[in-house]
Amino acid sequence: QQQVKQSPQSLIVQKGGISIINCAYENTAFDYFPWYQQFPGKGPALLIAIRPDVSEKKEGRFTISFNKSAKQFSLHIMDSQPGDSATYFCAASPLDLYDKVIFGPGTSLSVIP
Amino acid sequence: DGGITQSPKYLFRKEGQNVTLSCEQNLNHDAMYWYRQDPGQGLRLIYYSQIVNDFQKGDIAEGYSVSREKKESFPLTVTSAQKNPTAFYLCASSGSGDNEQFFGPGTRLTVL
Repeated sequence: QQQVKQSPQSLIVQKGGISIINCAYENTAFDYFPWYQQFPGKGPALLIAIRPDVSEKKEGRFTISFNKSAKQFSLHIMDSQPGDSATYFCAASPLDLYDKVIFGPGTSLSVIP
Repeated sequence: DGGITQSPKYLFRKEGQNVTLSCEQNLNHDAMYWYRQDPGQGLRLIYYSQIVNDFQKGDIAEGYSVSREKKESFPLTVTSAQKNPTAFYLCASSGSGDNEQFFGPGTRLTVL
């Protein structure tokens, strides 16, 4: 019940295309859903996060869509660029237990020219 | 500049040796974490600390030890009891009541 599932494991998208990464969770106590971006040899960095009181959050080319009833959320990267090539991790945690973040296994995104 | 530093960036160790990885933060964060990352896998929590002089085991604590004597510092010791220590180790911190975790640049440990 603590697991966060993520798919696909790897993704290749052409420049200008839309990248979509999906995550699912079981624990209904989760109410904070961040996405982290990690470049090779670097630590992850927070990209965008959503709380379940909204169904969508957009920041620039990055959008999180959230479906509370299905316990699923996804990251959409519009107009994907080669500089977006990285590993993306979804995560989930209870909002009031900030040390209980559970990370998904990650998606390796390659954006080709 | 505020942030998290980890040292060294690369570390080589012979089998049977203990080794300590450094993690320092100047973000004034209460909570600090150690994660292990293996190729193609997500982040697995080793230990975390919510406050000075207190820490809890994460999902894969066996073969590791930590200390939290200062708010700014959370060193991780990989002991000889850790059977497969070759991995990328990430330290992170978060503020009180804040879910966002800030990560350091990582230490890549290789056991020869």
